[in-house]
Amino acid sequence: EAGVAQSPRYKIIEKRQSVAFWCNPISGHATLYWYQQILGQGPKLLIQFQNNGVVDDSQLPKDRFSAERLKGVDSTLKIQPAKLEDSAVYLCASSLRRQGRASPLHFGNGTRLTVT
Amino acid sequence: AQTVTQSQPEMSVQEAETVTLSCTYDTSESDYYLFWYKQPPSRQMILVIRQEAYKQQNATENRFSVNFQKAAKSFSLKISDSQLGDAAMYFCAYRSLKPQGAQKLVFGQGTRLTINP
Repeated sequence: EAGVAQSPRYKIIEKRQSVAFWCNPISGHATLYWYQQILGQGPKLLIQFQNNGVVDDSQLPKDRFSAERLKGVDSTLKIQPAKLEDSAVYLCASSLRRQGRASPLHFGNGTRLTVT
Repeated sequence: AQTVTQSQPEMSVQEAETVTLSCTYDTSESDYYLFWYKQPPSRQMILVIRQEAYKQQNATENRFSVNFQKAAKSFSLKISDSQLGDAAMYFCAYRSLKPQGAQKLVFGQGTRLTINP
């Protein structure tokens, strides 16, 4: 099966500019996650979707970050305006939705964002 | 909120030897999952091994095994017969089983593993 696809692979922008990242999950995976991984740290969940509804966005800086998952498939994460501290790798992951036991997360290769 | 702590920022081991990476976590839940993920320079998080908290038997996947101590909230990863391809960042992660969609992964800070030839 095809894995989680993300683009772009790298992005360099100046502070106060806008940027968008795209994620295509594994076919049939109802749950989609966006994680932020700052250099030297573990990934931190920004937002979790179940189909096209938001399940958890408690750690998403909503004044500048937004995300959507139209039609419950692809997702876009946007930052506007970007700050220097947004420099990080943005990882997308997806999983099946199963009753009871948890299903594993499958990760994409991430987008490395540099804000100058 | 659950937290995961990896106290070893870096570890190194000679090729073919055994190394153990440490992880502790904090939770008030009784049922959950624990994972070890590997992140090579390609940045993709690769699942190495997982443990269900209700299982007393330690999980094993080929050269990778865990020592799960539920009462101590400890979850260490042992890599036997280390290979050059094992060099990567290793992350310990906790996953709640709450049914309200809060099944997010909470990661530790990571341990960078170097394999010396």
